[in-house]
Amino acid sequence: GQNIDQPTEMTATEGAIVQINCTYQTSGFNGLFWYQQHAGEAPTFLSYNVLDGLEEKGRFSSFLSRSKGYSYLLLKELQMKDSASYLCAVGSYNTDKLIFGTGTRLQVFP
Amino acid sequence: SQTIHQWPATLVQPVGSPLSLECTVEGTSNPNLYWYRQAAGRGLQLLFYSVGIGQISSEVPQNLSASRPQDRQFILSSKKLLLSDSGFYLCAWSRTDVVYFGAGTRLSVL
Repeated sequence: GQNIDQPTEMTATEGAIVQINCTYQTSGFNGLFWYQQHAGEAPTFLSYNVLDGLEEKGRFSSFLSRSKGYSYLLLKELQMKDSASYLCAVGSYNTDKLIFGTGTRLQVFP
Repeated sequence: SQTIHQWPATLVQPVGSPLSLECTVEGTSNPNLYWYRQAAGRGLQLLFYSVGIGQISSEVPQNLSASRPQDRQFILSSKKLLLSDSGFYLCAWSRTDVVYFGAGTRLSVL
């Protein structure tokens, strides 16, 4: 089966850097995805890693280590609007579906 | 560009009443389609997914059903709603790997 673990909550200060970790177990790994979900809204796609290493997109970066079953999302120069839940999700070649972790609720304080 | 429409945005229904939520995708053909549910304060749970017309896979036994009468139309139904069916229902689509979500329907069963 598939299993995804990420911290439930994190807090950080405006302007700081925060790293949200995700560990996973799956068969037929086909990509690690990060989504952002503001309260009361639908998740929006942030990043996708299928190979080991770091993918950078502006203030957001995502890292993957397939051998360790580990990923992290790095948010730099935090802004108040970054307060949201961040969902880690794993795809599998064996299925056509994406399985989500329970999400990490990030609160950014001034 | 692709867009996904999901309606209604909010719905209040009495226990025992029927349910029909509809979702359509524009700008792509033969997408994979998904219904997810998110209970208050919890993660995304995959309910159904479909890789083609009339092809439905159910992930969780429950009193909900799904149908795909047309290539880009996905419907979530119930004959008799339960209190436990309350939640945030999200339709989603994918063509390659990334899953994109509709705006969601917030269902309250009273």
